[in-house]
Amino acid sequence: GDSVTQMEGPVTLSEEAFLTINCTYTATGYPSLFWYVQYPGEGLQLLLKATKADDKGSNKGFEATYRKETTSFHLEKGSVQVSDSAVYFCALSRFKAAGNKLTFGGGTRVLVKP
Amino acid sequence: DSGVTQTPKHLITATGQRVTLRCSPRSGDLSVYWYQQSLDQGLQFLIQYYNGEERAKGNILERFSAQQFPDLHSELNLSSLELGDSALYFCASSDPGQSAEAFFGQGTRLTVV
Repeated sequence: GDSVTQMEGPVTLSEEAFLTINCTYTATGYPSLFWYVQYPGEGLQLLLKATKADDKGSNKGFEATYRKETTSFHLEKGSVQVSDSAVYFCALSRFKAAGNKLTFGGGTRVLVKP
Repeated sequence: DSGVTQTPKHLITATGQRVTLRCSPRSGDLSVYWYQQSLDQGLQFLIQYYNGEERAKGNILERFSAQQFPDLHSELNLSSLELGDSALYFCASSDPGQSAEAFFGQGTRLTVV
């Protein structure tokens, strides 16, 4: 079945540091890939997405490129802020006539210190 | 604000009891998904409804059931509750597109004591 593996946290960084969170997936066909973010006490928000190989999703300074050859979708940000402290989830979805349920990775908690 | 509304935000109940969680999807979205987030299991897909019909089932226990009503709101019913059912339950909605992302509510935190 489908699965998503992402690096375990917590990841602790200083402000303005570079952030990378690794994500790899297993799925047949051509899934869509997503990064969701969960701020403390809140629900999940879509951060970015990519729907086909070599697509780059970007939002709020975060980027991720859909790499089919390595089945990866690593999240990067060049200069993090304290407000980026959150839990980040990598996820995939395969379109079926039945709908687009998401398969999530385990989440990576990121803590940015001033 | 995602446009998805979940009630209640918090629920504390005793083992053996039954509770109902409610979700109102974004205006126009026909699909509703339920997910459970727990410390040991992570985010798990439970069940999906599309325009009133069940479309996909995930790791949903037999003690749990759901339905989607004609006005498209959905309810998740959890019965014979156990301590291990304590978790954050999320509802999400999407429109029927091939790469349509899901929009999540803020969740209902269920505590079983």
